[in-house]
Amino acid sequence: RKEVEQDPGPFNVPEGATVAFNCTYSNSASQSFFWYRQDCRKEPKLLMSVYSSGNEDGRFTAQLNRASQYISLLIRDSKLSDSATYLCVASPGGFKTIFGAGTRLFVKA
Amino acid sequence: EPEVTQTPSHQVTQMGQEVILRCVPISNHLYFYWYRQILGQKVEFLVSFYNNEISEKSEIFDDQFSVERPDGSNFTLKIRSTKLEDSAMYFCASGDNSNQPQHFGDGTRLSIL
Repeated sequence: RKEVEQDPGPFNVPEGATVAFNCTYSNSASQSFFWYRQDCRKEPKLLMSVYSSGNEDGRFTAQLNRASQYISLLIRDSKLSDSATYLCVASPGGFKTIFGAGTRLFVKA
Repeated sequence: EPEVTQTPSHQVTQMGQEVILRCVPISNHLYFYWYRQILGQKVEFLVSFYNNEISEKSEIFDDQFSVERPDGSNFTLKIRSTKLEDSAMYFCASGDNSNQPQHFGDGTRLSIL
């Protein structure tokens, strides 16, 4: 089983749509979770941290389910500029960081 | 906003040659990382560095690789004898806490011929 697993997509959605991505992680000792976005041939950029209580930042909502070892990202009112690859990240404690392979999102006009 | 800077942006090297990739982390950060991303593949952890020593490394980070913080600002990744399969984007990242998000530089594209 992959350490961090994501549906690669692509997700093709119209502007204004709501889209949700899921991610599972295999190491139950994982302590820190993040969503990053990566544009083509660019560096990963932090989108948001993921907290146990769930958190929201504008149009973006992240949820963590430790029992199911599952993280989600919800994007509301999708914009063209949201088109990117979304990377799920889990840190099993210590200094190692594990990235998922990413979920590709295309938002079309 | 402070940022992580990496040089060069693109490095082309003959197979078997040594390369040094350079990074200047954010100044008050204490944790430093190198990642690589082969074209079309996922971001892979290589190594983390804290308190002037390697804190963790992956299976990829074999004897061909080394890291160094030669002064108070630079953080380097050396590949001793490059192979074709080392061709990738190499990202440096830094953080102020091991549990906090990392900030990435914009990467060095390494092409081995």
